[in-house]
Amino acid sequence: LAKTTQPISMDSYEGQEVNITCSHNNIATNDYITWYQQFPSQGPRFIIQGYKTKVTNEVASLFIPADRKSSTLSLPRVSLSDTAVYYCLVGDRGYSTLTFGKGTMLLVSP
Amino acid sequence: EAGVTQFPSHSVIEKGQTVTLRCDPISGHDNLYWYRRVMGKEIKFLLHFVKESKQDESGMPNNRFLAERTGGTYSTLKVQPAELEDSGVYFCASSHGQGNYEQYFGPGTRLTVT
Repeated sequence: LAKTTQPISMDSYEGQEVNITCSHNNIATNDYITWYQQFPSQGPRFIIQGYKTKVTNEVASLFIPADRKSSTLSLPRVSLSDTAVYYCLVGDRGYSTLTFGKGTMLLVSP
Repeated sequence: EAGVTQFPSHSVIEKGQTVTLRCDPISGHDNLYWYRRVMGKEIKFLLHFVKESKQDESGMPNNRFLAERTGGTYSTLKVQPAELEDSGVYFCASSHGQGNYEQYFGPGTRLTVT
């Protein structure tokens, strides 16, 4: 499994764009990049998944460069309710087990 | 559509006692997973059911843990006898297809062993 490295924590203010970068130098050809969000006292929630280039949904955008050794989760105009832990996961979609790292604790302030 | 539900939300038991956690997956989801996070650690995989069959139980810590999914619907995770190091939050997740990284998690059961 590819090891992931992401910031331990980040601070932001409401209305700002937040970019969280994850490094995964050993990503394999069949691996996808998936991001989960976890609020306190809740289970993780799937946000977005991608393989290369850019993926966008109603919640976030995921940017993946050509070498795929890193990825950036972009949250546009964050609000207080975006305060959560964000996990970057890398793995083969044919293998269902999720491997969580420590994640990035995002704190959004007024 | 109802999400994944877990019961109880919190359980406090003494060392040596038995506890059974229950998970109701999203209706129609054949895949059911158990994960847990013990204090200060990362969320770790325990096991994976496909319908009523155990697909992967490589994460089960020891034989004090027994998971079942009779009939392929809800699942139970029994810890017998519980030890102090079993304290943590136990999450259940379900997904529609296998090999699917989009899993739907329940709120978790917080287990405290004293």
